[in-house]
Amino acid sequence: EDQVTQSPEALRLQEGESSSLNCSYTVSGLRGLFWYRQDPGKGPEFLFTLYSAGEEKEKERLKATLTKKESFLHITAPKPEDSATYLCAVWYGKIIFGKGTRLHILP
Amino acid sequence: KAGVTQTPRYLIKTRGQQVTLSCSPISGHRSVSWYQQTPGQGLQFLFEYFSETQRNKGNFPGRFSGRQFSNSRSEMNVSTLELGDSALYLCASRDENSPLHFGNGTRLTVT
Repeated sequence: EDQVTQSPEALRLQEGESSSLNCSYTVSGLRGLFWYRQDPGKGPEFLFTLYSAGEEKEKERLKATLTKKESFLHITAPKPEDSATYLCAVWYGKIIFGKGTRLHILP
Repeated sequence: KAGVTQTPRYLIKTRGQQVTLSCSPISGHRSVSWYQQTPGQGLQFLFEYFSETQRNKGNFPGRFSGRQFSNSRSEMNVSTLELGDSALYLCASRDENSPLHFGNGTRLTVT
Protein backbone atom coordinates (compact mmCIF):
# COMPACT_ATOMS: atom_id res chain seq x y z
CA GLU A 1 0.00 0.00 0.00
CA ASP A 2 1.26 3.47 -0.87
CA GLN A 3 2.09 5.29 2.28
CA VAL A 4 3.91 8.19 3.93
CA THR A 5 5.15 7.96 7.53
CA GLN A 6 6.46 10.87 9.54
CA SER A 7 8.43 10.70 12.77
CA PRO A 8 8.45 11.70 15.48
CA GLU A 9 4.76 12.52 15.98
CA ALA A 10 5.68 15.36 18.31
CA LEU A 11 8.92 17.06 19.27
CA ARG A 12 9.72 19.64 21.95
CA LEU A 13 13.01 21.52 21.64
CA GLN A 14 14.64 24.36 23.46
CA GLU A 15 15.24 27.50 21.42
CA GLY A 16 18.52 27.03 19.56
CA GLU A 17 18.48 23.22 19.82
CA SER A 18 18.82 21.80 16.29
CA SER A 19 17.06 18.60 15.21
CA SER A 20 15.66 16.68 12.22
CA LEU A 21 12.22 15.47 11.22
CA ASN A 22 11.85 12.31 9.13
CA CYS A 23 9.49 11.42 6.29
CA SER A 24 9.67 7.91 4.83
CA TYR A 25 7.59 6.77 1.89
CA THR A 26 6.67 3.65 -0.05
CA VAL A 27 5.24 4.69 -3.40
CA SER A 28 6.06 3.76 -6.96
CA GLY A 29 6.94 6.36 -9.50
CA LEU A 30 7.76 9.26 -7.20
CA ARG A 31 7.47 12.53 -9.11
CA GLY A 32 8.23 14.84 -6.21
CA LEU A 33 8.15 15.31 -2.44
CA PHE A 34 6.77 18.40 -0.74
CA TRP A 35 7.21 19.86 2.73
CA TYR A 36 4.56 22.08 4.28
CA ARG A 37 4.13 23.98 7.51
CA GLN A 38 0.69 24.22 9.14
CA ASP A 39 -0.27 26.64 11.91
CA PRO A 40 -3.41 26.08 14.02
CA GLY A 41 -6.61 27.07 12.24
CA LYS A 42 -4.88 27.55 8.89
CA GLY A 43 -4.25 25.56 5.75
CA PRO A 44 -0.80 24.10 5.07
CA GLU A 45 1.78 26.54 3.74
CA PHE A 46 4.22 25.33 1.09
CA LEU A 47 7.92 25.19 2.02
CA PHE A 48 9.91 23.01 -0.43
CA THR A 49 9.71 20.67 -3.39
CA LEU A 50 12.35 17.95 -3.89
CA TYR A 51 12.40 15.96 -7.11
CA SER A 52 15.30 13.51 -6.98
CA ALA A 53 17.57 11.69 -4.53
CA GLY A 54 20.47 13.83 -3.42
CA GLU A 55 18.60 17.10 -3.85
CA GLU A 56 18.66 19.68 -1.04
CA LYS A 57 16.71 22.91 -0.53
CA GLU A 58 17.21 25.58 2.14
CA LYS A 59 15.14 28.42 3.52
CA GLU A 60 16.22 30.38 6.58
CA ARG A 61 16.66 27.83 9.41
CA LEU A 62 15.19 24.92 7.41
CA LYS A 63 16.93 22.50 5.08
CA ALA A 64 15.20 19.62 3.31
CA THR A 65 16.99 16.61 1.85
CA LEU A 66 15.83 13.60 -0.15
CA THR A 67 17.03 10.01 -0.54
CA LYS A 68 15.37 7.17 -2.45
CA LYS A 69 13.21 6.16 0.52
CA GLU A 70 13.03 9.14 2.85
CA SER A 71 13.35 12.85 3.34
CA PHE A 72 14.61 14.88 6.26
CA LEU A 73 13.71 18.38 7.37
CA HIS A 74 16.62 19.76 9.36
CA ILE A 75 15.91 22.68 11.67
CA THR A 76 18.97 24.66 12.75
CA ALA A 77 18.89 26.88 15.85
CA PRO A 78 15.08 27.04 15.89
CA LYS A 79 13.10 29.94 17.33
CA PRO A 80 9.68 29.85 19.04
CA GLU A 81 8.06 31.10 15.82
CA ASP A 82 9.12 27.84 14.14
CA SER A 83 6.54 26.03 16.30
CA ALA A 84 4.01 24.42 13.95
CA THR A 85 3.03 21.09 12.45
CA TYR A 86 5.31 20.06 9.59
CA LEU A 87 3.79 17.88 6.89
CA CYS A 88 5.40 16.00 4.07
CA ALA A 89 3.58 14.85 0.95
CA VAL A 90 4.55 12.63 -1.95
CA TRP A 91 3.42 13.13 -5.53
CA TYR A 92 3.06 10.05 -7.69
CA GLY A 93 -0.09 10.94 -9.62
CA LYS A 94 -2.07 11.57 -6.48
CA ILE A 95 -0.52 13.66 -3.72
CA ILE A 96 -0.77 11.99 -0.31
CA PHE A 97 0.34 13.31 3.06
CA GLY A 98 1.92 11.97 6.19
CA LYS A 99 0.26 12.67 9.54
CA GLY A 100 2.79 15.35 10.40
CA THR A 101 5.23 16.21 13.18
CA ARG A 102 4.04 18.70 15.82
CA LEU A 103 7.05 20.83 16.66
CA HIS A 104 7.13 23.00 19.78
CA ILE A 105 10.08 25.31 20.41
CA LEU A 106 10.42 26.47 24.01
CA PRO A 107 11.89 29.96 24.64
CA LYS B 1 -2.65 37.05 -6.86
CA ALA B 2 -5.46 36.13 -4.50
CA GLY B 3 -5.05 32.81 -2.72
CA VAL B 4 -7.40 29.85 -2.54
CA THR B 5 -10.73 30.86 -1.01
CA GLN B 6 -13.02 28.43 0.76
CA THR B 7 -16.54 29.14 1.95
CA PRO B 8 -18.01 28.90 4.45
CA ARG B 9 -15.33 28.84 7.15
CA TYR B 10 -17.53 27.06 9.68
CA LEU B 11 -20.59 24.83 9.37
CA ILE B 12 -22.69 22.96 11.88
CA LYS B 13 -24.99 20.26 10.53
CA THR B 14 -27.10 17.45 11.92
CA ARG B 15 -26.66 13.75 11.15
CA GLY B 16 -28.48 12.75 7.99
CA GLN B 17 -28.30 16.19 6.39
CA GLN B 18 -26.20 17.05 3.38
CA VAL B 19 -23.67 19.84 2.91
CA THR B 20 -21.96 21.65 0.04
CA LEU B 21 -18.57 23.30 0.39
CA SER B 22 -17.13 25.76 -2.09
CA CYS B 23 -13.61 26.49 -3.29
CA SER B 24 -12.25 29.22 -5.58
CA PRO B 25 -8.75 28.37 -6.79
CA ILE B 26 -5.86 30.69 -7.55
CA SER B 27 -6.43 32.40 -10.87
CA GLY B 28 -5.01 30.29 -13.69
CA HIS B 29 -4.89 27.05 -11.72
CA ARG B 30 -6.91 24.31 -13.40
CA SER B 31 -6.39 21.55 -10.84
CA VAL B 32 -8.36 21.52 -7.59
CA SER B 33 -7.95 18.87 -4.90
CA TRP B 34 -9.92 18.21 -1.73
CA TYR B 35 -8.63 16.77 1.53
CA GLN B 36 -10.21 15.81 4.83
CA GLN B 37 -8.13 16.56 7.92
CA THR B 38 -8.83 14.98 11.32
CA PRO B 39 -6.58 14.74 14.40
CA GLY B 40 -6.37 10.95 14.17
CA GLN B 41 -5.97 10.42 10.42
CA GLY B 42 -4.20 13.56 9.29
CA LEU B 43 -4.79 14.84 5.75
CA GLN B 44 -6.63 12.28 3.63
CA PHE B 45 -7.05 12.71 -0.11
CA LEU B 46 -10.64 12.90 -1.33
CA PHE B 47 -10.39 13.70 -5.04
CA GLU B 48 -8.76 15.89 -7.66
CA TYR B 49 -10.45 17.69 -10.53
CA PHE B 50 -8.75 19.04 -13.62
CA SER B 51 -10.58 20.92 -16.37
CA GLU B 52 -13.97 19.79 -15.02
CA THR B 53 -13.00 16.08 -14.94
CA GLN B 54 -12.23 13.97 -11.90
CA ARG B 55 -8.59 12.92 -12.40
CA ASN B 56 -7.87 11.06 -9.14
CA LYS B 57 -9.96 9.70 -6.32
CA GLY B 58 -9.22 8.64 -2.74
CA ASN B 59 -10.82 5.88 -0.69
CA PHE B 60 -13.94 7.59 0.54
CA PRO B 61 -17.54 6.34 0.25
CA GLY B 62 -19.83 7.55 -2.50
CA ARG B 63 -21.49 9.98 -0.08
CA PHE B 64 -18.55 12.26 -0.85
CA SER B 65 -18.72 13.81 -4.30
CA GLY B 66 -17.42 16.84 -6.07
CA ARG B 67 -17.49 18.79 -9.25
CA GLN B 68 -15.59 21.50 -11.02
CA PHE B 69 -16.99 24.29 -13.13
CA SER B 70 -15.64 25.81 -16.34
CA ASN B 71 -14.08 28.70 -14.35
CA SER B 72 -12.17 26.07 -12.25
CA ARG B 73 -14.20 26.78 -9.12
CA SER B 74 -15.07 23.56 -7.32
CA GLU B 75 -17.70 22.28 -4.94
CA MET B 76 -17.69 19.29 -2.66
CA ASN B 77 -20.86 17.63 -1.42
CA VAL B 78 -21.34 15.22 1.45
CA SER B 79 -24.72 13.51 1.70
CA THR B 80 -26.29 11.70 4.66
CA LEU B 81 -23.84 13.19 7.12
CA GLU B 82 -22.39 11.03 9.89
CA LEU B 83 -20.74 12.11 13.14
CA GLY B 84 -17.41 10.86 11.79
CA ASP B 85 -17.57 13.37 8.94
CA SER B 86 -16.72 16.15 11.40
CA ALA B 87 -13.39 17.48 10.15
CA LEU B 88 -11.52 20.32 8.52
CA TYR B 89 -12.04 20.13 4.75
CA LEU B 90 -9.20 21.64 2.80
CA CYS B 91 -9.16 22.64 -0.83
CA ALA B 92 -5.95 23.16 -2.77
CA SER B 93 -5.20 24.32 -6.28
CA ARG B 94 -2.14 23.89 -8.45
CA ASP B 95 -0.66 24.56 -11.81
CA GLU B 96 0.75 21.53 -13.66
CA ASN B 97 3.99 20.32 -12.00
CA SER B 98 3.67 22.81 -9.14
CA PRO B 99 2.93 22.19 -5.46
CA LEU B 100 -0.52 22.43 -3.93
CA HIS B 101 -1.62 25.80 -2.58
CA PHE B 102 -4.18 25.47 0.19
CA GLY B 103 -7.08 27.52 1.44
CA ASN B 104 -7.77 27.83 5.17
CA GLY B 105 -10.46 25.19 5.08
CA THR B 106 -14.06 24.71 6.11
CA ARG B 107 -14.56 23.38 9.63
CA LEU B 108 -17.57 21.01 9.53
CA THR B 109 -19.17 19.87 12.77
CA VAL B 110 -21.85 17.17 12.61
CA THR B 111 -24.09 16.82 15.69
